[in-house]
Amino acid sequence: EVQLVESGGGLVKPGESLRLSCAGAGFILSDAWMNWVRQAPGKGLEWVGRVTSRSAGGTTDYAGPMAGRFTISRDDSKNTVYLQMNSLKTEDTAVYYCTSGRSQWGQGTLVTVSS
Amino acid sequence: DIVMTQTPLSLSVTPGQPASISCKSSQSLLNSDGKTSLYWFLQKPGQPPQLLIYEVSNRFSGVPDRFSGSGSGTDFTLKISRVEAEDVGVYYCMQNLQLLTFGGGTKVDFK
Repeated sequence: EVQLVESGGGLVKPGESLRLSCAGAGFILSDAWMNWVRQAPGKGLEWVGRVTSRSAGGTTDYAGPMAGRFTISRDDSKNTVYLQMNSLKTEDTAVYYCTSGRSQWGQGTLVTVSS
Repeated sequence: DIVMTQTPLSLSVTPGQPASISCKSSQSLLNSDGKTSLYWFLQKPGQPPQLLIYEVSNRFSGVPDRFSGSGSGTDFTLKISRVEAEDVGVYYCMQNLQLLTFGGGTKVDFK
């Protein structure tokens, strides 16, 4: 069974940092273009960024509001993708999902940014 | 950036009746490989989105045949032939021709 499991969410203050993890089971993340998508409370889905597959160079792209603050990386030995979030703002409060952008989605991890 | 516009924002349906959701993209989603990069998802409360339709009209494994997708270029439609209780939730269209962009969502509930 294919599973993506996010972890690392929690409560942080504005300006602080947090690193989210997305571990794959039954699914080789290095073969996929992996995305982070977030959903603020009561709102729709917002793309955060992606890392391409290893064969495509493992390059990254980010949505405008996240560029420069968020960094996506992967550790293929751990079959894990990371989302490093710096200089967090209250508007970054959301459930963060990792996804292949197709059928594979994690359950999400909640990030709350509040003083 | 490709903008995805969904209508309506909400839809109240009678069980057993049909429903239709529209999604328009700001530019063509036709890929160089001849496929069109348009997907439909359903998000039920407290759950991640689940894939219903990929590449405009292909039902994902296990998706009931009451769901169908159609369209081309920039105009797309998701139809439910007879809405059932388990179909309640928020529907999103998504393009992955250029990065990912989601429509704003259509909330479907019962009258």
